[in-house]
Amino acid sequence: DADVTQTPRNRITKTGKRIMLECSQTKGHDRMYWYRQDPGLGLRLIYYSFDVKDINKGEISDGYSVSRQAQAKFSLSLESAIPNQTALYFCATGRARANEQFFGPGTRLTVL
Amino acid sequence: QKEVEQDPGPLSVPEGAIVSLNCTYSNSAFQYFMWYRQYSRKGPELLMYTYSSGNKEDGRFTAQVDKSSKYISLFIRDSQPSDSATYLCAMSEDNQGGKLIFGQGTELSVKP
Repeated sequence: DADVTQTPRNRITKTGKRIMLECSQTKGHDRMYWYRQDPGLGLRLIYYSFDVKDINKGEISDGYSVSRQAQAKFSLSLESAIPNQTALYFCATGRARANEQFFGPGTRLTVL
Repeated sequence: QKEVEQDPGPLSVPEGAIVSLNCTYSNSAFQYFMWYRQYSRKGPELLMYTYSSGNKEDGRFTAQVDKSSKYISLFIRDSQPSDSATYLCAMSEDNQGGKLIFGQGTELSVKP
């Protein structure tokens, strides 16, 4: 089945460390998204990419960076992790001219 | 004030009950309205998709949009324990696959 996968699924790290979350998809979609989910705040968009050369900031991009290595791969980096970046992170994909997004299983990140 | 407001719950109902989940929004440019369902430890998945005002029914689920009141609802008839999940509303100004704005999510538990 075409799918969206995220690695790692769980990560515990310390303040100040650099960390990368990876997302791969076999759906053949051009568009990819990174969200974070916090209790009481819902899903908030961090970055999104319409194709390999098109990357856009979302609602809460400060402290994060992304890399679109290929159509199928979109990575999220925290250059210097801080405790308030502790959250559940989701990658999603989508087609052009369509609103449905397909989510990966999530990465639970804890920053101590 | 958040663009989209959703009662976070939690909401607990007995099996067979009718469930009403609601979101209000402030941006009158929203035209596309979605409900996503998220099971524990999983990514959200699209449940219902509607355009503009009106009702849409799919089995036990009915999505209702009232643009004049900036209010959307999801009704679940004959609720089942398998409906226990977090339900997130999402909205967009267009269908170009751009940004979705999510509500905070409502956690629903259906007791046998």
